[in-house]
Amino acid sequence: QMQLQESGPGLVKPSETLSLTCTVSGDSINSRRYYWGWIRQPPGKGPEWIGSIYYSGSTYYSPSLKSRVTISVDTSNNQFSLQLSSVTAADTAVYYCARLYVSTSYPDYFDFWGQGTLVTVFS
Amino acid sequence: QLVLTQSPSASASLGASVRLTCTLSSGHSNYAIAWHQLQPGRRPLYVMKVYNDGRHNKGDGIPDRFSGSSSGAERYLTISSLQSEDEAEYFCQTWATGIQVFGGGTKLTIL
Repeated sequence: QMQLQESGPGLVKPSETLSLTCTVSGDSINSRRYYWGWIRQPPGKGPEWIGSIYYSGSTYYSPSLKSRVTISVDTSNNQFSLQLSSVTAADTAVYYCARLYVSTSYPDYFDFWGQGTLVTVFS
Repeated sequence: QLVLTQSPSASASLGASVRLTCTLSSGHSNYAIAWHQLQPGRRPLYVMKVYNDGRHNKGDGIPDRFSGSSSGAERYLTISSLQSEDEAEYFCQTWATGIQVFGGGTKLTIL
């Protein structure tokens, strides 16, 4: 049964780096059919795509976050990770990991989501 | 610029039907979109992909009460025979050369 589980600190201090890991079970992160992505939803706002990664390490990042985001993949542990540097209160959000279906050469839609984890930036 | 626009809220009575709209920005009227359902405390759920010609592909376990359609730059999600468990936020998503875009979401209230 497919599962995506986010893990990481729920509290991060301003100017520090937010780090989250998504563990994939029930599917192989090495699948050529999927990319793997991060999305966040700040309180009271719509969702915002952060970035996506392929098993090969190929990445796409949101232009608005690109300077602060690194997404990496660990195929041996079936995990992928997010690092967001220099966080501020505006980065407080529920962070989701999700699977993206690939129908052409590029990732298309998110077809499976994790439960999400709340990350609060506070001093 | 690729943008998706949704009305912030919608409401309908139990047992009735409702149609939610997602509008693609100018110059992108041929794009497909996906609909997702978000309920508090639950894993977001992929509902369906809607093509520009109105075809749609539903996610696993999505009831027949959910259907998709298109007209021009608008993509629709229609839910018939509304049930209390359909109360949720519905947001649309599209994509282009690796970039993902979300709409602001529509909060559906069942009266």
